[in-house]
Amino acid sequence: EDQVTQSPEALRLQEGESSSLNCSYTVSGLRGLFWYRQDPGKGPEFLFTLYSAGEEKEKERLKATLTKKESFLHITAPKPEDSATYLCAVQTGTASKLTFGTGTRLQVTL
Amino acid sequence: DTAVSQTPKYLVTQMGNDKSIKCEQNLGHDTMYWYKQDSKKFLKIMFSYNNKELIINETVPNRFSPKSPDKAHLNLHINSLELGDSAVYFCASSQLGSNIQYFGAGTRLSVL
Repeated sequence: EDQVTQSPEALRLQEGESSSLNCSYTVSGLRGLFWYRQDPGKGPEFLFTLYSAGEEKEKERLKATLTKKESFLHITAPKPEDSATYLCAVQTGTASKLTFGTGTRLQVTL
Repeated sequence: DTAVSQTPKYLVTQMGNDKSIKCEQNLGHDTMYWYKQDSKKFLKIMFSYNNKELIINETVPNRFSPKSPDKAHLNLHINSLELGDSAVYFCASSQLGSNIQYFGAGTRLSVL
């Protein structure tokens, strides 16, 4: 069975303090690894898809990287508006099923 | 215009009742999903439909029955509600071949 583990469970940063979130996975046949952002009371919002080890994607202060066992979401000089829960998900098999991790709750303070 | 919309946003009901949640997407996608997010924020897939055909059916009690009248709509009907059904239910959609799923805002179901 596919497993996705995210760490830390919660992270508190000061504005400008860079850090990384981890997503480690155990799957058979990775088709894609997805990062989503979820704000309180809202649905997950798509950020990135990574398909192969060594791939990197960037968007504003966020950068996602992928190895054969894990993915990192690097946050550079975060701002309070980056506060949210970040979810990692893997896709395997032929159907479009996503298996999610339990998320990292990020809080960025002034 | 909301891309994936769910109604109602909140649903409070008694144990044993039957309830439905509706989902509509205006993105022209051909695949739709239902997910359940529990109190610990764990998001787990329940069902997926592609062009009105069921393609993913996870281990979900028979009390849950999805219905897709057309590819823009996927409704979720729940019979004989139990306390453990309390959760937030999310609808999502994607275009076959893209794999990026777009989520609705969720329906918070509370069973008393």
